[in-house]
Amino acid sequence: KQEVTQIPAALSVPEGENLVLNCSFTDSAIYNLQWFRQDPGKGLTSLLLIQSSQREQTSGRLNASLDKSSGRSTLYIAASQPGDSATYLCAVRAIQMYSGGGADGLTFGKGTHLIIQP
Amino acid sequence: DVKVTQSSRYLVKRTGEKVFLECVQDMDHENMFWYRQDPGLGLRLIYFSYDVKMKEKGDIPEGYSVSREKKERFSLILESASTNQTSMYLCASNPTGGGLHYEQYFGPGTRLTVT
Repeated sequence: KQEVTQIPAALSVPEGENLVLNCSFTDSAIYNLQWFRQDPGKGLTSLLLIQSSQREQTSGRLNASLDKSSGRSTLYIAASQPGDSATYLCAVRAIQMYSGGGADGLTFGKGTHLIIQP
Repeated sequence: DVKVTQSSRYLVKRTGEKVFLECVQDMDHENMFWYRQDPGLGLRLIYFSYDVKMKEKGDIPEGYSVSREKKERFSLILESASTNQTSMYLCASNPTGGGLHYEQYFGPGTRLTVT
Protein backbone atom coordinates (compact mmCIF):
# COMPACT_ATOMS: atom_id res chain seq x y z
CA LYS A 1 0.00 0.00 0.00
CA GLN A 2 1.27 3.45 -0.92
CA GLU A 3 2.61 5.51 1.98
CA VAL A 4 3.64 9.14 1.85
CA THR A 5 5.98 10.71 4.38
CA GLN A 6 6.76 14.39 4.81
CA ILE A 7 9.80 15.73 6.58
CA PRO A 8 10.06 17.84 8.63
CA ALA A 9 6.71 17.81 10.41
CA ALA A 10 7.24 21.43 11.42
CA LEU A 11 9.61 24.17 10.37
CA SER A 12 10.15 27.73 11.54
CA VAL A 13 12.44 30.07 9.62
CA PRO A 14 13.06 33.83 9.44
CA GLU A 15 11.50 35.81 6.64
CA GLY A 16 13.56 35.97 3.46
CA GLU A 17 15.15 32.55 3.73
CA ASN A 18 14.92 29.92 1.02
CA LEU A 19 13.63 26.58 2.23
CA VAL A 20 12.95 23.02 1.11
CA LEU A 21 10.14 20.71 2.12
CA ASN A 22 10.54 17.00 1.53
CA CYS A 23 8.11 14.30 0.50
CA SER A 24 8.79 10.61 -0.04
CA PHE A 25 6.53 7.82 -1.25
CA THR A 26 6.94 4.07 -1.15
CA ASP A 27 5.57 2.96 -4.53
CA SER A 28 7.03 4.65 -7.60
CA ALA A 29 4.10 3.61 -9.83
CA ILE A 30 2.35 6.94 -9.61
CA TYR A 31 0.41 9.03 -12.13
CA ASN A 32 1.31 12.37 -10.64
CA LEU A 33 2.22 14.24 -7.46
CA GLN A 34 0.47 17.30 -6.16
CA TRP A 35 1.54 19.88 -3.58
CA PHE A 36 -1.15 21.69 -1.59
CA ARG A 37 -1.28 24.48 0.90
CA GLN A 38 -3.75 24.50 3.80
CA ASP A 39 -4.43 27.46 6.03
CA PRO A 40 -5.83 26.78 9.52
CA GLY A 41 -9.44 25.60 9.39
CA LYS A 42 -9.60 25.91 5.63
CA GLY A 43 -9.64 23.64 2.60
CA LEU A 44 -6.73 22.73 0.37
CA THR A 45 -5.31 25.01 -2.29
CA SER A 46 -3.43 23.29 -5.10
CA LEU A 47 0.05 24.74 -5.62
CA LEU A 48 1.74 22.53 -8.17
CA LEU A 49 1.03 19.32 -10.06
CA ILE A 50 3.85 17.22 -11.48
CA GLN A 51 2.96 14.43 -13.91
CA SER A 52 4.96 11.22 -13.57
CA SER A 53 6.84 11.98 -16.79
CA GLN A 54 7.98 15.40 -15.56
CA ARG A 55 10.95 16.32 -13.39
CA GLU A 56 9.84 19.68 -12.06
CA GLN A 57 7.24 22.41 -12.10
CA THR A 58 7.54 26.07 -11.21
CA SER A 59 5.03 28.68 -10.13
CA GLY A 60 6.33 32.04 -9.00
CA ARG A 61 8.57 31.51 -5.96
CA LEU A 62 7.70 27.82 -5.79
CA ASN A 63 9.55 25.01 -7.49
CA ALA A 64 8.64 21.35 -7.09
CA SER A 65 10.81 18.47 -8.25
CA LEU A 66 10.02 14.82 -8.71
CA ASP A 67 12.37 11.84 -8.73
CA LYS A 68 9.96 9.00 -9.32
CA SER A 69 12.54 6.22 -9.28
CA SER A 70 13.73 7.14 -5.80
CA GLY A 71 10.25 8.02 -4.57
CA ARG A 72 11.02 11.62 -3.66
CA SER A 73 9.75 15.12 -4.24
CA THR A 74 10.84 18.47 -2.90
CA LEU A 75 9.06 21.79 -2.70
CA TYR A 76 11.43 24.74 -2.81
CA ILE A 77 10.18 28.11 -1.58
CA ALA A 78 12.35 31.08 -2.45
CA ALA A 79 12.54 34.28 -0.44
CA SER A 80 9.97 33.17 2.12
CA GLN A 81 7.35 35.62 3.41
CA PRO A 82 5.11 35.57 6.51
CA GLY A 83 2.15 34.94 4.18
CA ASP A 84 3.71 31.60 3.27
CA SER A 85 2.96 30.35 6.78
CA ALA A 86 0.63 27.36 6.40
CA THR A 87 0.62 23.58 6.33
CA TYR A 88 1.99 22.11 3.12
CA LEU A 89 0.70 18.74 1.99
CA CYS A 90 2.11 16.36 -0.57
CA ALA A 91 -0.13 13.80 -2.28
CA VAL A 92 0.47 11.14 -4.91
CA ARG A 93 -2.06 9.85 -7.43
CA ALA A 94 -1.75 6.14 -8.09
CA ILE A 95 -3.69 2.97 -8.56
CA GLN A 96 -4.73 2.03 -5.07
CA MET A 97 -6.65 -1.04 -4.02
CA TYR A 98 -9.54 -0.05 -1.79
CA SER A 99 -11.99 -2.25 0.01
CA GLY A 100 -14.52 -1.93 -2.79
CA GLY A 101 -12.09 -2.75 -5.58
CA GLY A 102 -9.41 -0.88 -7.45
CA ALA A 103 -9.29 2.64 -8.70
CA ASP A 104 -7.17 5.69 -8.30
CA GLY A 105 -7.19 8.35 -5.63
CA LEU A 106 -4.82 10.62 -3.76
CA THR A 107 -2.66 9.37 -0.89
CA PHE A 108 -1.57 12.21 1.36
CA GLY A 109 1.37 12.84 3.63
CA LYS A 110 0.64 14.33 7.05
CA GLY A 111 2.05 17.69 6.10
CA THR A 112 4.74 20.13 7.09
CA HIS A 113 3.60 22.98 9.34
CA LEU A 114 5.59 26.01 8.20
CA ILE A 115 6.00 29.24 10.15
CA ILE A 116 7.79 32.20 8.62
CA GLN A 117 8.92 34.63 11.31
CA PRO A 118 8.63 38.32 10.38
CA ASP B 1 -11.85 29.21 -11.99
CA VAL B 2 -12.96 25.84 -10.73
CA LYS B 3 -15.27 26.13 -7.80
CA VAL B 4 -16.07 23.35 -5.33
CA THR B 5 -18.55 24.35 -2.67
CA GLN B 6 -19.71 22.56 0.44
CA SER B 7 -23.06 23.21 2.02
CA SER B 8 -21.83 24.05 5.52
CA ARG B 9 -18.57 25.26 7.03
CA TYR B 10 -19.53 24.17 10.54
CA LEU B 11 -22.05 21.62 11.64
CA VAL B 12 -23.01 20.29 15.08
CA LYS B 13 -25.11 17.14 15.29
CA ARG B 14 -26.18 14.72 17.97
CA THR B 15 -25.22 11.07 18.21
CA GLY B 16 -27.57 8.90 16.19
CA GLU B 17 -28.73 11.63 13.82
CA LYS B 18 -28.63 11.12 10.07
CA VAL B 19 -26.32 13.73 8.57
CA PHE B 20 -26.02 14.92 4.98
CA LEU B 21 -22.93 16.74 3.72
CA GLU B 22 -23.37 18.25 0.28
CA CYS B 23 -20.72 19.08 -2.29
CA VAL B 24 -21.24 20.85 -5.61
CA GLN B 25 -18.72 21.54 -8.37
CA ASP B 26 -19.34 23.84 -11.29
CA MET B 27 -16.87 22.53 -13.88
CA ASP B 28 -18.59 19.40 -15.18
CA HIS B 29 -15.99 17.13 -13.58
CA GLU B 30 -16.56 13.41 -13.79
CA ASN B 31 -14.68 12.43 -10.63
CA MET B 32 -15.69 13.50 -7.15
CA PHE B 33 -14.21 12.50 -3.79
CA TRP B 34 -14.92 12.71 -0.08
CA TYR B 35 -12.03 12.78 2.43
CA ARG B 36 -11.86 13.26 6.16
CA GLN B 37 -8.96 14.95 7.90
CA ASP B 38 -7.94 14.22 11.47
CA PRO B 39 -4.93 15.42 13.48
CA GLY B 40 -2.11 12.91 13.32
CA LEU B 41 -3.87 10.83 10.67
CA GLY B 42 -3.90 13.22 7.74
CA LEU B 43 -6.44 13.02 4.94
CA ARG B 44 -8.10 9.70 4.24
CA LEU B 45 -10.38 8.81 1.37
CA ILE B 46 -13.93 7.79 2.32
CA TYR B 47 -15.69 7.38 -1.04
CA PHE B 48 -15.33 8.48 -4.62
CA SER B 49 -17.46 8.55 -7.71
CA TYR B 50 -16.53 8.30 -11.36
CA ASP B 51 -19.87 9.31 -12.76
CA VAL B 52 -23.51 9.75 -11.94
CA LYS B 53 -24.87 6.89 -9.85
CA MET B 54 -21.41 5.32 -9.62
CA LYS B 55 -19.52 5.04 -6.35
CA GLU B 56 -16.49 3.27 -4.99
CA LYS B 57 -15.32 2.74 -1.43
CA GLY B 58 -12.07 4.28 -0.32
CA ASP B 59 -9.95 3.60 2.75
CA ILE B 60 -12.54 4.20 5.45
CA PRO B 61 -16.12 3.77 4.15
CA GLU B 62 -17.58 2.23 7.31
CA GLY B 63 -20.41 4.29 8.76
CA TYR B 64 -20.79 6.35 5.59
CA SER B 65 -22.69 6.18 2.34
CA VAL B 66 -22.80 8.47 -0.69
CA SER B 67 -25.19 9.59 -3.35
CA ARG B 68 -24.54 11.03 -6.79
CA GLU B 69 -27.80 11.65 -8.63
CA LYS B 70 -26.47 14.57 -10.66
CA LYS B 71 -23.02 15.06 -12.10
CA GLU B 72 -22.32 18.26 -10.19
CA ARG B 73 -23.43 17.05 -6.78
CA PHE B 74 -21.89 14.43 -4.48
CA SER B 75 -23.42 13.85 -1.07
CA LEU B 76 -21.87 12.15 1.93
CA ILE B 77 -24.32 10.55 4.34
CA LEU B 78 -23.66 9.56 7.93
CA GLU B 79 -26.42 7.05 8.54
CA SER B 80 -26.21 7.30 12.33
CA ALA B 81 -23.66 9.86 13.47
CA SER B 82 -21.21 8.84 16.17
CA THR B 83 -18.68 10.87 18.14
CA ASN B 84 -15.77 9.24 16.29
CA GLN B 85 -17.06 10.87 13.12
CA THR B 86 -16.23 14.29 14.48
CA SER B 87 -13.79 15.55 11.87
CA MET B 88 -13.08 17.93 9.01
CA TYR B 89 -14.70 16.66 5.81
CA LEU B 90 -13.28 17.73 2.46
CA CYS B 91 -14.80 17.27 -0.96
CA ALA B 92 -12.77 17.29 -4.18
CA SER B 93 -13.28 16.89 -7.89
CA ASN B 94 -11.29 16.52 -11.08
CA PRO B 95 -11.96 15.99 -14.78
CA THR B 96 -10.95 12.91 -16.71
CA GLY B 97 -10.19 12.18 -20.31
CA GLY B 98 -7.34 11.88 -22.73
CA GLY B 99 -5.63 9.31 -20.54
CA LEU B 100 -4.42 12.10 -18.29
CA HIS B 101 -4.64 12.43 -14.53
CA TYR B 102 -5.66 15.92 -13.63
CA GLU B 103 -5.19 17.83 -10.43
CA GLN B 104 -7.86 17.64 -7.78
CA TYR B 105 -9.70 20.75 -6.65
CA PHE B 106 -10.89 20.92 -3.07
CA GLY B 107 -13.78 22.61 -1.36
CA PRO B 108 -13.42 24.71 1.82
CA GLY B 109 -14.30 21.82 4.13
CA THR B 110 -17.04 21.13 6.65
CA ARG B 111 -16.06 20.85 10.28
CA LEU B 112 -18.51 18.39 11.80
CA THR B 113 -18.89 17.95 15.53
CA VAL B 114 -20.98 15.06 16.85
CA THR B 115 -21.99 15.38 20.49
